[in-house]
Amino acid sequence: DTGVSQNPRHKITKRGQNVTFRCDPISEHNRLYWYRQTLGQGPEFLTYFQNEAQLEKSRLLSDRFSAERPKGSFSTLEIQRTEQGDSAMYLCASSQTSGSRGQYFGPGTRLTVT
Amino acid sequence: SQQGEEDPQALSIQEGENATMNCSYKTSINNLQWYRQNSGRGLVHLILIRSNEREKHSGRLRVTLDTSKKSSSLLITASRAADTASYFCASLTDKLIFGTGTRLQVFP
Repeated sequence: DTGVSQNPRHKITKRGQNVTFRCDPISEHNRLYWYRQTLGQGPEFLTYFQNEAQLEKSRLLSDRFSAERPKGSFSTLEIQRTEQGDSAMYLCASSQTSGSRGQYFGPGTRLTVT
Repeated sequence: SQQGEEDPQALSIQEGENATMNCSYKTSINNLQWYRQNSGRGLVHLILIRSNEREKHSGRLRVTLDTSKKSSSLLITASRAADTASYFCASLTDKLIFGTGTRLQVFP
């Protein structure tokens, strides 16, 4: 068990470009979550999956954002036509369904849109 | 914003002193969790208290929960320099809602 991993760790892109992030959860965890965190703030919920099903999406997740978890294992978060306001740390977390031990977070992907 | 609030926003203490952080949240919850975040290890789950519990201990951590006031507190006793980090409460309904965090600095 190597914990939750995220790739890439850093991404610099120009406004208008598309970016895709990957998250590999802890293998026995069936729930996977995406959050966004800006400087000085707590993480904000974006979306979560139970196995391959996307169960909830925040209103923060505009039409430019899409997340998938095709086989109930890893997940991808894609941002199309990036804007400077998308610059943030994108965090992935996983947990067992019960959530009784909290969520396990990955190191995050820091996105900078220039 | 749905985020809860934490108080104080920043706290500086000497090693050996106790640190108390407070958190308020907005809706009814299933449980409340505390996380620590530093640049070296990212967000780490510290402790979880269920809505029907009032107090919980784990090592040097003590958490209280008052559902009537929608508030929680985290006490770190005998602080160490390694406790320097940001601390977030997170309330669980159908998803985790994080607070704004308390930045704790522990001086050796």
